[in-house]
Amino acid sequence: AQSVTQLGSHVSVSEGALVLLRCNYSSSVPPYLFWYVQYPNQGLQLLLKYTTGATLVKGINGFEAEFKKSETSFHLTKPSAHMSDAAEYFCAVSGNTGNQFYFGTGTSLTVIP
Amino acid sequence: DVKVTQSSRYLVKRTGEKVFLECVQDMDHENMFWYRQDPGLGLRLIYFSYDVKMKEKGDIPEGYSVSREKKERFSLILESASTNQTSMYLCASLGFGFYNEQFFGPGTRLTVL
Repeated sequence: AQSVTQLGSHVSVSEGALVLLRCNYSSSVPPYLFWYVQYPNQGLQLLLKYTTGATLVKGINGFEAEFKKSETSFHLTKPSAHMSDAAEYFCAVSGNTGNQFYFGTGTSLTVIP
Repeated sequence: DVKVTQSSRYLVKRTGEKVFLECVQDMDHENMFWYRQDPGLGLRLIYFSYDVKMKEKGDIPEGYSVSREKKERFSLILESASTNQTSMYLCASLGFGFYNEQFFGPGTRLTVL
């Protein structure tokens, strides 16, 4: 069975500082991994996804994530935080049937001016 | 531009009422999902459907039912609303294939008084 763990339910960074949101997964099959962002009172939108190939994945708004199979991790980073990055971030892994997703509990990012 | 729409952004109902939440997608996707989102618990799957008239229970189906009479529409029904069903409800759709991501609607914030 697949599962996702996001370390840190709340993360605060200063504007301009590095953003690092952690995600570890467990999967018995090659995983397909996703990061979603949710702005207040909105649905989730895709930031980036890893399927196969290059392990460093670039997404929208300057975010990127690196798939590390040996560490079963898919951490999300952004070199320089912007006020508009304040949101909830969810890591997800898709199941081996292709139509089931497993979400982490989310990390709320606060950006301090 | 792909779209998942939900019938209401905000809904207030009374205990015992029957509640219908509607979701429509315009991407011809086979799979559709209903989640509820609560602080600290992330997204929890209520039901999903992989084809018209087909449904599968998710992690928390108790107190809910679903209907999928047409491919583009997936309804969530609260037969007798209770206060513990106050939550944010998110609908998502997913095309066939292992690499695809879910597309989410904007959510319905339901309050049961």
